[in-house]
Amino acid sequence: NAGVMQNPRHLVRRRGQEARLRCSPMKGHSHVYWYRQLPEEGLKFMVYLQKENIIDESGMPKERFSAEFPKEGPSILRIQQVVRGDSAAYFCASTGTEGSPLHFGNGTRLTVT
Amino acid sequence: DQQVKQNSPSLSVQEGRISILNCDYTNSMFDYFLWYKKYPAEGPTFLISISSIKDKNEDGRFTVFLNKSAKHLSLHIVPSQPGDSAVYFCAAKGGATNKLIFGTGTLLAVQP
Repeated sequence: NAGVMQNPRHLVRRRGQEARLRCSPMKGHSHVYWYRQLPEEGLKFMVYLQKENIIDESGMPKERFSAEFPKEGPSILRIQQVVRGDSAAYFCASTGTEGSPLHFGNGTRLTVT
Repeated sequence: DQQVKQNSPSLSVQEGRISILNCDYTNSMFDYFLWYKKYPAEGPTFLISISSIKDKNEDGRFTVFLNKSAKHLSLHIVPSQPGDSAVYFCAAKGGATNKLIFGTGTLLAVQP
């Protein structure tokens, strides 16, 4: 049962380091979404990608954050020069077609010390 | 601006009774609504959805009701079971974007 796979599950970084979060969508899915959940809050949309294209990045901070979904391999969410406020759970979701419900991975919990 | 609101952070219900979770939205462009369930340390899992052309959708113990004039939807779980204890998120999408907008969640505790 190959669902959405995210790794690592837990990631600890010191302030100023880079964080790389990986997401492999479900087999056959070509649409990937990244969400962030801060403590005591709901899930906030960050970015929507299709293979090799960023479709909507309206929820992503303009600086330090970037995302890609290459033709081959997983989608990557990269956070450069992390700060304590980046500590959160980052969830990836995928779908095969735009109108279908999103299937979520179990998230990566980023802790910035 | 919180376009999707779940005003009850928590709800406690006895096993066998009905659980009613509520959600309000402000954006009239939303045309598709979903409920997700989330256990600790796991990702949200899709539960049930409803299109804006309907006012009710039922799937087993789960029913979602949509009142477009009030911009309100609710999820009914009957009978409630201890395994239903989780955080429930309401989500909506529509208009120019395909992204889901989530509420802040309601923690449901079903007491045996």
